[in-house]
Amino acid sequence: GAGVSQSPSNKVTEKGKDVELRCDPISGHTALYWYRQSLGQGLEFLIYFQGNSAPDKSGLPSDRFSAERTGGSVSTLTIQRTQQEDSAVYLCASSPGFISNQPQHFGDGTRLSIL
Amino acid sequence: KNEVEQSPQNLTAQEGEFITINCSYSVGISALHWLQQHPGGGIVSLFMLSSGKKKHGRLIATINIQEKHSSLHITASHPRDSAVYICAVHGSSNTGKLIFGQGTTLQVKP
Repeated sequence: GAGVSQSPSNKVTEKGKDVELRCDPISGHTALYWYRQSLGQGLEFLIYFQGNSAPDKSGLPSDRFSAERTGGSVSTLTIQRTQQEDSAVYLCASSPGFISNQPQHFGDGTRLSIL
Repeated sequence: KNEVEQSPQNLTAQEGEFITINCSYSVGISALHWLQQHPGGGIVSLFMLSSGKKKHGRLIATINIQEKHSSLHITASHPRDSAVYICAVHGSSNTGKLIFGQGTTLQVKP
């Protein structure tokens, strides 16, 4: 698997439920990013992990959102007590390192629909 | 006002036309990306640049750091170029996170 892998590709859940979205970055990539793309809107940054450093959580929209990255590889984005405004495509990207002039490789996203 | 502004928002062209999409930003940056997103598809990085000009096939990207402006050009456009083109910048604080423009939706008609 050469690319960034996200699962599930689609998730439909009821308002108030918790959801977990998974991202498998490209092997060896130390930087991992989560972004969100709401319908008709542009992309927005959520959270960024770089190696063992503390993550940059400045984009998380509320305390219902959290993310972790275990072992410097796989990441999970968790949304608690989902709301309808959480409906969006959640994209994960990875890059080789912290240096900002390295391209980011995007997964295909998880399309989350809150009923 | 958004930190990254693209124009136009929507663009329709005839096959073969020369296309320009513009991106202006108001923050200091360390690099700028042009991304392509096909309907229902993932996002692909087309270019990453911090100065000058880059060319790949029919695509050309330029950046003017002093004017805080970048352009993406498509020569001899083709219907398969129809997609959303997104400009994104890395801030100069070098955190790695991207700040995105709203995207330009391009439709190329045969």
